Amino acid sequence: EFVLTQSPGTLSLSPGERATLSCRASQSVSSSYLAWYQQKPGQAPRLLIYGASSRATGIPDRFSGSGSGTDFTLTISRLEPEDFAVYYCQQYGSSLLTFGGGTKVEIK
Amino acid sequence: QVQLVQSGAEVKKPGASVKVSCKASGDTFTAYYMHWVRQAPGQGLEWMGWIDPNSGGTNYVQKFQGRVTMTRDTSISTAYMELSRLRSDDTAVYYCARRPPSADYVFFDYWGQGTLVTVSS
Repeated sequence: EFVLTQSPGTLSLSPGERATLSCRASQSVSSSYLAWYQQKPGQAPRLLIYGASSRATGIPDRFSGSGSGTDFTLTISRLEPEDFAVYYCQQYGSSLLTFGGGTKVEIK
Repeated sequence: QVQLVQSGAEVKKPGASVKVSCKASGDTFTAYYMHWVRQAPGQGLEWMGWIDPNSGGTNYVQKFQGRVTMTRDTSISTAYMELSRLRSDDTAVYYCARRPPSADYVFFDYWGQGTLVTVSS
């Protein structure tokens, strides 16, 4: 079974700080098939990053993605008030699509 | 602009079926695979499968095989997800999500607003 493990479960930070979110896969993932989403309460997920490091249309450049193989990272360089949300990674492989369990970024 | 508009909230009894619709606008409906993702209250995202609106071909997660049916009506640019033999743990928000046709990447660029399905006796 393919598993994506996100850590930490919750990240408590202040506006202006840097956020580093981890997504670890149980098997090697094609970078092309790794994406990140942001979800706010009561809203659908919003695509941030695809292909591990490409920003989606309209996404600010404070969001960046990196990594390869089994370890991927989403970095928010300076947190804005609207960035406090839950973040999910997603991978696709062997005709199956999997989401990580999510990381909640909360205001400290 | 691209929009995916889903049908409204449903309340169903255990054992019943529910059919959720997802109407697409702003782009060519048959060019994009439509996926379905659900989210139980306070939980993460769970992928259910997809339909190719062009051919009608489908791929379902094994967990839902035998209970889920994804269909489409190209004349009205609408995809449907029907889940049968509902149980209380099927209570969730169900999303449709569009995958761009690139063979190089897999991600969802547009999502419906979600449909809450509550299963309760």
